[in-house]
Amino acid sequence: DQQVKQNSPSLSVQEGRISILNCDYTNSMFDYFLWYKKYPAEGPTFLISISSIKDKNEDGRFTVFLNKSAKHLSLHIVPSQPGDSAVYFCAAGQAAGNKLTFGGGTRVLVKP
Amino acid sequence: EAQVTQNPRYLITVTGKKLTVTCSQNMNHEYMSWYRQDPGLGLRQIYYSMNVEVTDKGDVPEGYKVSRKEKRNFPLILESPSPNQTSLYFCASTHSRDSSEQFFGPGTRLTVL
Repeated sequence: DQQVKQNSPSLSVQEGRISILNCDYTNSMFDYFLWYKKYPAEGPTFLISISSIKDKNEDGRFTVFLNKSAKHLSLHIVPSQPGDSAVYFCAAGQAAGNKLTFGGGTRVLVKP
Repeated sequence: EAQVTQNPRYLITVTGKKLTVTCSQNMNHEYMSWYRQDPGLGLRQIYYSMNVEVTDKGDVPEGYKVSRKEKRNFPLILESPSPNQTSLYFCASTHSRDSSEQFFGPGTRLTVL
């Protein structure tokens, strides 16, 4: 049973538009959420995170929103750039520990 | 340069032939872990280590072993690989018990025939 789910395996968006990636979780013990970005032939790299005490965290073009009651988080990329084309993984864990549970990933393609 | 390195990057082997994938980090991190990535399943944790000589099972430990004799190294051992262990493997590390931001190696693509 997957505790973290990314229901959209792929997303295609035009350069300059907004990309919205969604993630749902089932474990109410999760209190720390992260997004990782992965290019082919490379390891995932940390993108942005959010603690459960917040509902929004912004870093440049990237914003993560957390809806605890719905157990849902989303990543917004505005504006999308061709270099954002990658696989994005949502991950969840507990702030007091290191174990992360990952979603299945969403492949984003930004078209010029 | 701060990094996590893995070797080999690519490996094709046959069923039953023991192999080791090495992982090393130069950031003095206490916590290290191994993941496998399979299509649609994301990254699943195989084993993790909180510090030297302290290791524990993750979500999918069957068929794997690990050791942590030194802080910087965390090898993954497949004593008798099987085709269902064909996967993309990642080693990761993080600097403290309270940090969830993990740093990943470049990955090892393993094919077991």
